[in-house]
Amino acid sequence: TQLLEQSPQFLSIQEGENLTVYCNSSSVFSSLQWYRQEPGEGPVLLVTVVTGGEVKKLKRLTFQFGDARKDSSLHITAAQPGDTGLYLCAGAGRTGNQFYFGTGTSLTVIP
Amino acid sequence: ETGVTQTPRHLVMGMTNKKSLKCEQHLGHNAMYWYKQSAKKPLELMFVYSLEERVENNSVPSRFSPECPNSSHLFLHLHTLQPEDSALYLCASSQDVGGTALYEQYFGPGTRLTVT
Repeated sequence: TQLLEQSPQFLSIQEGENLTVYCNSSSVFSSLQWYRQEPGEGPVLLVTVVTGGEVKKLKRLTFQFGDARKDSSLHITAAQPGDTGLYLCAGAGRTGNQFYFGTGTSLTVIP
Repeated sequence: ETGVTQTPRHLVMGMTNKKSLKCEQHLGHNAMYWYKQSAKKPLELMFVYSLEERVENNSVPSRFSPECPNSSHLFLHLHTLQPEDSALYLCASSQDVGGTALYEQYFGPGTRLTVT
C-alpha cells in the first residue's frame, strides 16, 4: 500500500488568510492529483501534476509537486468561504490501475 | 452536473437484506470505479472496471459483488452486510485506466449507506 499522509487533518481559518496543505509519502508517484469534495458531493479534480518540481496555479491556488515526486503541497492565497471543503491528494500506483487517496484535509473558511 | 449519477442517494438496510447500488456515467468513458469513504479513513478503492472487465479487486469481502454490464453502468450488489460497512459509496469514471498516467476521475455524488 502506498500511503499518502495529509496535514493538517483539520483547518479552520478566517476569510482572507493564506494556508498550505501538505501531502506526503515515502513512495514515488508517477503523477499526483488534488481533488476538492464538498458536503453531499463526490470529489472534483483541481489539478494533476506530473513532473518533479512542477508548479501549477489555478487562480488563488498554487500546487507544487516535490522534486522527488514523493510529496506535494497546495497553497491557497486569500481564502474565501467557497474554498471550504475536503481536500484530497491522490497518486497512481505502479500498475496504473491502483489509485491511492490521501487522508484528507478538511478546510473551513469563516466569513 | 458531473455526468455520473448514483442511485439511491441514501440507503438503510438490515444485515440480512440484499440491495444494489447503481451508477451510470454519460461521459463515454471506458473505466469505472467503486470507492468506499468512511469517517477518519482515506478513500478506499474497491473495484476497477475497464471496458466491462474487472481489472482490480482490492481484497474486498465477498458480501460486496460488483457488476458491469456495459461501459456506462456499474452496480454494487450488497448482501449480509455488517454495521462497519456503513459508509459513503462513491462511483467514478475516467476515460481510461492503466499505465502510469493518472486520468481525471469524475465522481458521482455517492450513496450514503447505513447498515443496522
